[in-house]
Amino acid sequence: DADVTQTPRNRITKTGKRIMLECSQTKGHDRMYWYRQDPGLGLRLIYYSFDVKDINKGEISDGYSVSRQAQAKFSLSLESAIPNQTALYFCATSDLQTDQETQYFGPGTRLLVL
Amino acid sequence: GQNIDQPTEMTATEGAIVQINCTYQTSGFNGLFWYQQHAGEAPTFLSYNVLDGLEEKGRFSSFLSRSKGYSYLLLKELQMKDSASYLCAVKDSNYQLIWGAGTKLIIKP
Repeated sequence: DADVTQTPRNRITKTGKRIMLECSQTKGHDRMYWYRQDPGLGLRLIYYSFDVKDINKGEISDGYSVSRQAQAKFSLSLESAIPNQTALYFCATSDLQTDQETQYFGPGTRLLVL
Repeated sequence: GQNIDQPTEMTATEGAIVQINCTYQTSGFNGLFWYQQHAGEAPTFLSYNVLDGLEEKGRFSSFLSRSKGYSYLLLKELQMKDSASYLCAVKDSNYQLIWGAGTKLIIKP
């Protein structure tokens, strides 16, 4: 079954540490996204990529960076983690070839920064 | 600014019908999505509207009025497993999704 996977599923880290969250997909989709979700707020877009050579900032990119290593892989890095980056992080993919371009989400990474 | 408004929480009874409203003010409109999200899990796609009117999919229906900036999700024959958050999202003029904060639906026996 074509899928979107994220690793790790849970992570606890300390302030100032660099961490990487990884996303892989077997859907063959061109477009990939990173979101964060905080209680009481909508999903907020961090970065998105329309193909391997394309990286775009989203609404809240400060403190984050990304790498699109291949069509199927999109990783998110926190260069120096801070407590207000504690959140649930989702990767999503969509298919450029469809008019609707529904986004499909990975299972999420729960990050706690102490 | 861009804004999506949904009620924070709703309660309904098993077997009943519930309507979850969503109003939006966005820079442009290229479609509206509804997603379901169980606690701690990923959002999953429910429905998509780009033209005015009602789209029906089994127990779930979604309605759109572009002139009013309004949509609703209608859930019929509610089941306990429908307890979840329901997220409304609008694709704006830049084809980016703007997300509402979600409506937590509590189903009581």
